[in-house]
Amino acid sequence: GEDVEQSLFLSVREGDSSVINCTYTDSSSTYLYWYKQEPGAGLQLLTYIFSNMDMKQDQRLTVLLNKKDKHLSLRIADTQTGDSAIYFCAESAITSWGKLQFGAGTQVVVTP
Amino acid sequence: DVKVTQSSRYLVKRTGEKVFLECVQDMDHENMFWYRQDPGLGLRLIYFSYDVKMKEKGDIPEGYSVSREKKERFSLILESASTNQTSMYLCASSLITGGNTFGSGTRLTVV
Repeated sequence: GEDVEQSLFLSVREGDSSVINCTYTDSSSTYLYWYKQEPGAGLQLLTYIFSNMDMKQDQRLTVLLNKKDKHLSLRIADTQTGDSAIYFCAESAITSWGKLQFGAGTQVVVTP
Repeated sequence: DVKVTQSSRYLVKRTGEKVFLECVQDMDHENMFWYRQDPGLGLRLIYFSYDVKMKEKGDIPEGYSVSREKKERFSLILESASTNQTSMYLCASSLITGGNTFGSGTRLTVV
């Protein structure tokens, strides 16, 4: 079965870059997602990457995918206090359209 | 933008009660999902549905059932609530391809 792993905590200074890492096991994954959850809220889709891509950039967000190592990362440039949240990595297997397997989430704390 | 609405933000129920959690989406999405979220465990899929009157078990269906009588509405039912079902419940919807859009969640406490 699928398994998605993330580190649980990241502390970063305001203005620095944040890098959140994720590993997955399902080689048939088609889409890999990053979600953000602010306190008391649902999950907000930040970005996603198709498994035939290596990189995707969207404003301050850069997603890198290493298919050989099954490693996904999310880089947030110029991190702001509003970026403090839990970030979830998720994968969608080729046979399970829309059904996501989530990591445990990485708590990102941005300090002034 | 797609909106997914969960009927209750907070619920407190007694052990043994039958509990209904309601979810409505307004963008004609085919797929709907119920997840529960627990600290350190991320989100775990309870049930999902690809069409009206269709349901499939997720990873942790025990103690739950679902109903999808209309395309826009997906209900999660706790047949007899227990304290280990205290959790945050998140509903989501999606097209056949694409990421899930989530509701704001229902925090359920079973006492």
